[in-house]
Amino acid sequence: AQKITQTQPGMFVQEKEAVTLDCTYDTSDQSYGLFWYKQPSSGEMIFLIYQGSYDEQNATEGRYSLNFQKARKSANLVISASQLGDSAMYFCAMGSSGGSYIPTFGRGTSLIVHP
Amino acid sequence: KAGVTQTPRYLIKTRGQQVTLSCSPISGHRSVSWYQQTPGQGLQFLFEYFSETQRNKGNFPGRFSGRQFSNSRSEMNVSTLELGDSALYLCASMGTHNEQFFGPGTRLTVL
Repeated sequence: AQKITQTQPGMFVQEKEAVTLDCTYDTSDQSYGLFWYKQPSSGEMIFLIYQGSYDEQNATEGRYSLNFQKARKSANLVISASQLGDSAMYFCAMGSSGGSYIPTFGRGTSLIVHP
Repeated sequence: KAGVTQTPRYLIKTRGQQVTLSCSPISGHRSVSWYQQTPGQGLQFLFEYFSETQRNKGNFPGRFSGRQFSNSRSEMNVSTLELGDSALYLCASMGTHNEQFFGPGTRLTVL
């Protein structure tokens, strides 16, 4: 069974500063993917970034980067130069690679960006 | 490319009724997944359809069912609605790395 743990229910950051959202995972699979999603108050989930378990380099997408530490089973999201529009819920998720794919989501972290 | 669309966006039903939700995936995507999101349980996977076949299933009772059509559009049906079925229902189509592209959701309220 897979498990995602997000230990920070809420985070606050000043506009233009960087923030790290924590995510740890547990799985017995060798091949898997890790994902981060953003959910603004409107409700729509937005895919942000993907990291494959065999990728040696940390994934980056614009201001988002994923700090992947395989031995520690952590996949933290780093948002650089925070903007007011980054205020939202952030979900970490994982899924095994291959045909049988049932994704597992964390409980989420609420991020508030202060001006 | 148009994103994932879901209809209706809002729905109010009473206990015992049934409801059908619709989802159109991103053009070319053949996998459609459904999720239920509630404050208490978080985001839970319902099922996934691929090429008109249910490929994966979460841990929900048989009152929750779905289907997928040849054009990849999918419908989800909930029969004999209960108060606890009030939730945001999200549909997603799957990308190359199994990332999920979500629709805007259907907010269902059961009275």
